Amino acid sequence: GQNIDQPTEMTATEGAIVQINCTYQTSGFNGLFWYQQHAGEAPTFLSYNVLDGLEEKGRFSSFLSRSKGYSYLLLKELQMKDSASYLCAVMDSNYQLIWGAGTKLIIKP
Amino acid sequence: ETGVTQTPRHLVMGMTNKKSLKCEQHLGHNAMYWYKQSAKKPLELMFVYNFKEQTENNSVPSRFSPECPNSSHLFLHLHTLQPEDSALYLCASSQEIAPSYEQYFGPGTRLTVT
Repeated sequence: GQNIDQPTEMTATEGAIVQINCTYQTSGFNGLFWYQQHAGEAPTFLSYNVLDGLEEKGRFSSFLSRSKGYSYLLLKELQMKDSASYLCAVMDSNYQLIWGAGTKLIIKP
Repeated sequence: ETGVTQTPRHLVMGMTNKKSLKCEQHLGHNAMYWYKQSAKKPLELMFVYNFKEQTENNSVPSRFSPECPNSSHLFLHLHTLQPEDSALYLCASSQEIAPSYEQYFGPGTRLTVT
């Protein structure tokens, strides 16, 4: 079957760095997406990785290792507004997104 | 009007009611999606439309009936729902159904079935 695993909840301190991991097993691979979802709001796109390596976009970076079925989202210089759920999703061979259950990130002052 | 809009934002309905959810995208995208989001569970893909044609129906019960009259509008018709259908229903769109094309989501309809 297809499976995406990510931690349920993480806590970090304002100004610090946090890494949210995602492991996947899917039928086919056409890229991995990270989305941010604030409570009561729509998910919004953060990043897309299809090749191995690190993609940096401001305070956020995303890493992919296809051989290990592994990705992480790295958030630097954490701000209170980064408190949200972070969703990992893999596009399978049918171009459908397979989603993880999301990681709720709590930022403390 | 921005992005993807959904109405209503909240809906409470009895198990014998009939209601419809509406989604509209203002992005000129060709693909539209319905998802169900339940607490602490992954997003569940329900239906996919590409150029107004339904391409996926992920074993969704017939009490959910989608309609896509044009590439900008998507409806989800609801009838004789069950309490376990209470969830957040999200609509999304993308330029294409292909790698690298991210999906843009609406704010969702919070549905409660009583």
